[in-house]
Amino acid sequence: ETGVTQSPTHLIKTRGQQVTLRCSSQSGHNTVSWYQQALGQGPQFIFQYYREEENGRGNFPPRFSGLQFPNYSSELNVNALELDDSALYLCASSLGSIGATDTQYFGPGTRLTVL
Amino acid sequence: AQSVTQLGSHVSVSEGALVLLRCNYSSSVPPYLFWYVQYPNQGLQLLLKYTTGATLVKGINGFEAEFKKSETSFHLTKPSAHMSDAAEYFCAVSRGGSNYKLTFGKGTLLTVNP
Repeated sequence: ETGVTQSPTHLIKTRGQQVTLRCSSQSGHNTVSWYQQALGQGPQFIFQYYREEENGRGNFPPRFSGLQFPNYSSELNVNALELDDSALYLCASSLGSIGATDTQYFGPGTRLTVL
Repeated sequence: AQSVTQLGSHVSVSEGALVLLRCNYSSSVPPYLFWYVQYPNQGLQLLLKYTTGATLVKGINGFEAEFKKSETSFHLTKPSAHMSDAAEYFCAVSRGGSNYKLTFGKGTLLTVNP
């Protein structure tokens, strides 16, 4: 049990719609990272937030955006959904001090299906 | 840029047999290396990690991995497989601590036969 929760568990949307996925980090964890895991693939880094500011971004278009809140919760927003956005979305939280060797703890994920 | 190659998308062993899952990495800086396990319909659980120091790393559930810089490898082993080890295993690399992204391999599905 990592203490990282995500909601909803499953979600079905249609192409062109917008979606918001939510993550609740462990208390005291300043960093949250989001990953996309397509079927049969390893997770791909989307972006990371540290103390409510974006701290790095992977090769994803601007229609993927995020927010991090002071209460250790965060959101991943995806606009103009495409069929290829169908995947498991994972958030990971960590203490996140610069140079720290701490671990990223993953939540159970949200399975998004785009029809 | 960093990358991870996991050799073998599917490994099948008998219960009680040695488990060996292979991982090779590419990194321009000293890497931090990780093995995560994913059970069906679940998130990722950390098995073990290498940051600095001792190159043989012991993890949970009897798994261990050895960092070999000369071979750019970080293979995962377990002396005796158990049915409960059946899962997907991911090797990952990062530049440093948790403020850096993890770059994952494509995963290896481990099947354990009775």
